[in-house]
Amino acid sequence: GENVEQHPSTLSVQEGDSAVIKCTYSDSASNYFPWYKQELGKGPQLIIDIRSNVGEKKDQRIAVTLNKTAKHFSLHITETQPEDSAVYFCAARFQGAQKLVFGQGTRLTINP
Amino acid sequence: GAVVSQHPSRVICKSGTSVKIECRSLDFQATTMFWYRQFPKQSLMLMATSNEGSKATYEQGVEKDKFLINHASLTLSTLTVTSAHPEDSSFYICSGQVQETQYFGPGTRLLVL
Repeated sequence: GENVEQHPSTLSVQEGDSAVIKCTYSDSASNYFPWYKQELGKGPQLIIDIRSNVGEKKDQRIAVTLNKTAKHFSLHITETQPEDSAVYFCAARFQGAQKLVFGQGTRLTINP
Repeated sequence: GAVVSQHPSRVICKSGTSVKIECRSLDFQATTMFWYRQFPKQSLMLMATSNEGSKATYEQGVEKDKFLINHASLTLSTLTVTSAHPEDSSFYICSGQVQETQYFGPGTRLLVL
């Protein structure tokens, strides 16, 4: 069935270092992969997304890479700052579906 | 752009009463809106997909008679939790879709006493 696996569940990095979060998906026909950041008590905020016809996308300190063959995509945050601390969710839209299937989330903590 | 609001942000009610949550897309028209619930330290759980002018599609295990969804216009969807019970206490989040991107509201925290 439709499934998205996300790792790690928690991640702690020193301020200024890089953070990487990985997700795998089950349907090779999936075509859209967004990443959301959720701060405590708030709704998820879209931070970057990628479509299946693109291998990499960057937006300042944030980048996402997609490996369609291996069916996985990753979020890369460089030069991390304390305000990057939050829960991050990956998601995938499976072909023919309107809904997104979410990963389990990664709690990222940036240590000053 | 792509701002979604929810009202109320927080609600406390007595067991057995009904609660309505509004979701509005402020600067775009959303032909499709989604309703999620989220328990502490867990992922988002999709409850239903709502297309403007048609009946909502509920996910397996979600009682459609308990969680009433109305998507009356391209900018407004409502979720009514009928005869709420303590186990319905949760964080409810809506999203509006434009093209293929979902934009989320700030969420509504429901506490049923």
